[in-house]
Amino acid sequence: DAKTTQPTSMDCAEGRAANLPCNHSTISGNEYVYWYRQIHSQGPQYIIHGLKNNETNEMASLIITEDRKSSTLILPHATLRDTAVYYCIVRVANTNAGKSTFGDGTTLTVKP
Amino acid sequence: NAGVTQTPKFQVLKTGQSMTLQCAQDMNHEYMSWYRQDPGMGLRLIHYSVGAGITDQGEVPNGYNVSRSTTEDFPLRLLSAAPSQTSVYFCASRDRAYSNQPQHFGDGTRLSIL
Repeated sequence: DAKTTQPTSMDCAEGRAANLPCNHSTISGNEYVYWYRQIHSQGPQYIIHGLKNNETNEMASLIITEDRKSSTLILPHATLRDTAVYYCIVRVANTNAGKSTFGDGTTLTVKP
Repeated sequence: NAGVTQTPKFQVLKTGQSMTLQCAQDMNHEYMSWYRQDPGMGLRLIHYSVGAGITDQGEVPNGYNVSRSTTEDFPLRLLSAAPSQTSVYFCASRDRAYSNQPQHFGDGTRLSIL
C-alpha cells in the first residue's frame, strides 16, 4: 500500500472550512483514499473514501487531484467538536486483505 | 446494533503475566484486525483475519497470538506481557476482506504493563 504524507498540525477557526491535505504520490491505480479521524483517543471514526472522483457525504468532501497524487479533505463548517487527529490512508481494495497502514495523521485544532 | 465491542476497557498487568483481549462484532464481517497505538503515534497493525480459521501477521506481530474460530470473535493474546506492550489496542472489522468498504473500530483497550 502506498505511503501518505500529512502535515503534523493545522488550526482552523470555528465556522470556517477546514482543508486537510494529503500527499500520496506513489498511489497505484487500484488504491482507494480513505479518511478517518480520532477524537481524544477514542477508536478511529470513518469519514469518507474515494478512488478517482470527488466524493461528498454528510460529514465532509473529498477532493482527489486528477493525477491522484494528492487529496484534500474538506470539513465545510468546522466546529469545536471537529478537533481531532485526521488520518489519510491509501489501500488496495481488491487484493488479499488490503491492509490499512495508519501514519501519524494531522492534528486539527478548531478555535473559537 | 453494537458494532465492534472490546473488553476490557482498561487493564493493568505485571511483567510476565498472560492475558486475552476480547473483540466481538455483530455485523457478520469477514475481515477483522488488531492495532496498537502508542502515545502520540498512529496505529500499527498487529494481526488480521480474512475469515474464520484464517489469520496473518501485520507489521508488529511479535509477542501476540490470535485465532479466529468464529466470524464474530477475534481475541488477541499476550503470552508473556512486557512493559513495551503498554499501549492502547484497537480492534476493527470490515464487511469483506476484498472490499473497498471502510473499517469499523472498537473503543479500545488501554493496557499498562508494570
